[in-house]
Amino acid sequence: GAGVSQSPSNKVTEKGKDVELRCDPISGHTALYWYRQSLGQGLEFLIYFQGNSAPDKSGLPSDRFSAERTGGSVSTLTIQRTQQEDSAVYLCASSLAGDPRFEQYFGPGTRLTVT
Amino acid sequence: SQQGEEDPQALSIQEGENATMNCSYKTSINNLQWYRQNSGRGLVHLILIRSNEREKHSGRLRVTLDTSKKSSSLLITASRAADTASYFCATDGDSTDKLIFGTGTRLQVFP
Repeated sequence: GAGVSQSPSNKVTEKGKDVELRCDPISGHTALYWYRQSLGQGLEFLIYFQGNSAPDKSGLPSDRFSAERTGGSVSTLTIQRTQQEDSAVYLCASSLAGDPRFEQYFGPGTRLTVT
Repeated sequence: SQQGEEDPQALSIQEGENATMNCSYKTSINNLQWYRQNSGRGLVHLILIRSNEREKHSGRLRVTLDTSKKSSSLLITASRAADTASYFCATDGDSTDKLIFGTGTRLQVFP
C-alpha cells in the first residue's frame, strides 16, 4: 500500500518568503507528526496531531511556524518569513494512533533551503 | 530536551563484522524503538522493545535494554555494505503520546 508522501521533495526559497510543505499520511492513521532535522543532527519534534484533538504545538520553534491538518488526513506545515536557520529537512510521520507503542511511518522528507 | 544519546556518533567497520550502537536516556520509559535512516531522508522502524523486556531479536538485529542503567544497545551481526545508514533510538520519556529521538549513530560498512 501507499506510504507517507511529502511534497515538494526539495524547496529553495529566498529569505523572507513563506513556504508550505505538504504531508499525506497513510490512510487510516490517526496520528501525524512533523519533525525537523538539520544537517547531521537528530530529529527535532515540531508538532503532533491526534484525531480531532487539539494539536500538540510544543515543539514549534517560533510563531512563524504553523501547521494544520484538514479532515484528519493531509497536513500542511507553513513557515512564514523564512530565515536561513530554517534550512533543514522536514519530515512527516504517521502512526495508527497517538501512542508511542505504535511505530511511526516516515515520509521521504522535504529538503528546505533558504538563501 | 534530548532524551536519547547514541554512542558512538560514528562507526566504521568492514563487511562481516558486527556493529554495536548504544543509546542512553534520562527518564523512565515505557518502550524504546530503533530506527534507521538512509541518506538523510525518511526513517524506517527496525524494532521496539518494551520496558519489561531485556532482549529482542529480529533477523540480524539484537536489541538489549537495561532500565537500571537507562541504556539500550543495538547489535547488527554479520554487517553488509547495505547496512550503511544512520541509526536512531527513540523513547517515549515522560510523555505518553510522542517519541523523542536521539542524535544518531552514523554507521559505515566497507565492502
